[in-house]
Amino acid sequence: GQQVMQIPQYQHVQEGEDFTTYCNSSTTLSNIQWYKQRPGGHPVFLIQLVKSGEVKKQKRLTFQFGEAKKNSSLHITATQTTDVGTYFCAGNYGGSQGNLIFGKGTKLSVKP
Amino acid sequence: EADIYQTPRYLVIGTGKKITLECSQTMGHDKMYWYQQDPGMELHLIHYSYGVNSTEKGDLSSESTVSRIRTEHFPLTLESARPSHTSQYLCASSSPGRSYEQYFGPGTRLTVT
Repeated sequence: GQQVMQIPQYQHVQEGEDFTTYCNSSTTLSNIQWYKQRPGGHPVFLIQLVKSGEVKKQKRLTFQFGEAKKNSSLHITATQTTDVGTYFCAGNYGGSQGNLIFGKGTKLSVKP
Repeated sequence: EADIYQTPRYLVIGTGKKITLECSQTMGHDKMYWYQQDPGMELHLIHYSYGVNSTEKGDLSSESTVSRIRTEHFPLTLESARPSHTSQYLCASSSPGRSYEQYFGPGTRLTVT
């Protein structure tokens, strides 16, 4: 079946360091969404990328969608302790009606 | 913050009991979902619904059942709980008007003893 691979599974950084998580699909995605789940919380929508090569920024977060629409990345510049949590990418293969296929997530811990 | 509610938030129950996890949303979303997630792990889709009287099984096989009699309500039932059902259950909803981004409820943490 369709799968979205996400790496790394864990990332430990010192506060102020950068962080990147990557998602990859073997087949073309219709769009990709990113979610953040704080410890003990529920996933919260961050952003959706639709266009080939799209780049979107939210303050210190930069999201990219690959030219082939098969991969995506989330980069956080100068991490803060508030960035702690698990970041999930979720791929949509079937247009707006399709269900999301979630990656396994990258768990980020930030040492102050 | 999205208006999607789940009750109970925590449930500890004995093996063999029947349980129903409630999920309600006040956003008028057509599509609703149930996910199962072990702590710190990936999300597994177990059920979804396109609207009233529509229910579909997700990617992960589950012994639970769901119903969708009203747009806003999507309860999940386990007829006979087992320790293997111990997990967190997350309900979500989405709408085409919001590019199908999913709004998640706070979750029900179920422990079966």
